[in-house]
Amino acid sequence: GAVVSQHPSWVICKSGTSVKIECRSLDFQATTMFWYRQFPKQSLMLMATSNEGSKATYEQGVEKDKFLINHASLTLSTLTVTSAHPEDSSFYICSARDLGPTSGRRGTQYFGPGTRLLVL
Amino acid sequence: QKEVEQNSGPLSVPEGAIASLNCTYSDRGSQSFFWYRQYSGKSPELIMSIYSNGDKEDGRFTAQLNKASQYVSLLIRDSQPSDSATYLCAVMGSQGNLIFGKGTKLSVKP
Repeated sequence: GAVVSQHPSWVICKSGTSVKIECRSLDFQATTMFWYRQFPKQSLMLMATSNEGSKATYEQGVEKDKFLINHASLTLSTLTVTSAHPEDSSFYICSARDLGPTSGRRGTQYFGPGTRLLVL
Repeated sequence: QKEVEQNSGPLSVPEGAIASLNCTYSDRGSQSFFWYRQYSGKSPELIMSIYSNGDKEDGRFTAQLNKASQYVSLLIRDSQPSDSATYLCAVMGSQGNLIFGKGTKLSVKP
């Protein structure tokens, strides 16, 4: 099946530092990847849509200068949390959309395992 | 605003019973529908996708879609304690993004 990886799975950092999270589609190409955030006992919140070769589209209320997204290739998108603060502590999850020829998977989003960020 | 509604639960069923999870959506033009399962502390895992009216079966899972009623459901037969999780209904938006419901928490009691 379609596999999406994320790295790192856990990050603990000091307030004011920047953290980069990588999202990779391992067995398919993804022109579009999505970044979500999930706080405890809450539902997934879409942060931004990452398009290969173009600028990301951010959801309302998400600071584009704080959450930098780079989708440099068809299999890799990165999210950098700049100058992280304790309120940025959350579970960050990426997903990748499979647009390959297999009709059963076309358009389906597959999620990475998530990155848990704790800012001290 | 496009919305996806789910009963938050918790839905509690005994082991071996059928669990029925329901979802309604507001955008009549939606074409693609998905059910994801999310265990506590983990990311969502795709269970089923459905695009056409009717039933789609995969093992113990059956997804049902009724576009006229704007209704999607997921049936889990022979429920097991390992099925205890939050089930997320999702509808694909016009930009290829997923619009999620808040999820239904299912508890299967041994």
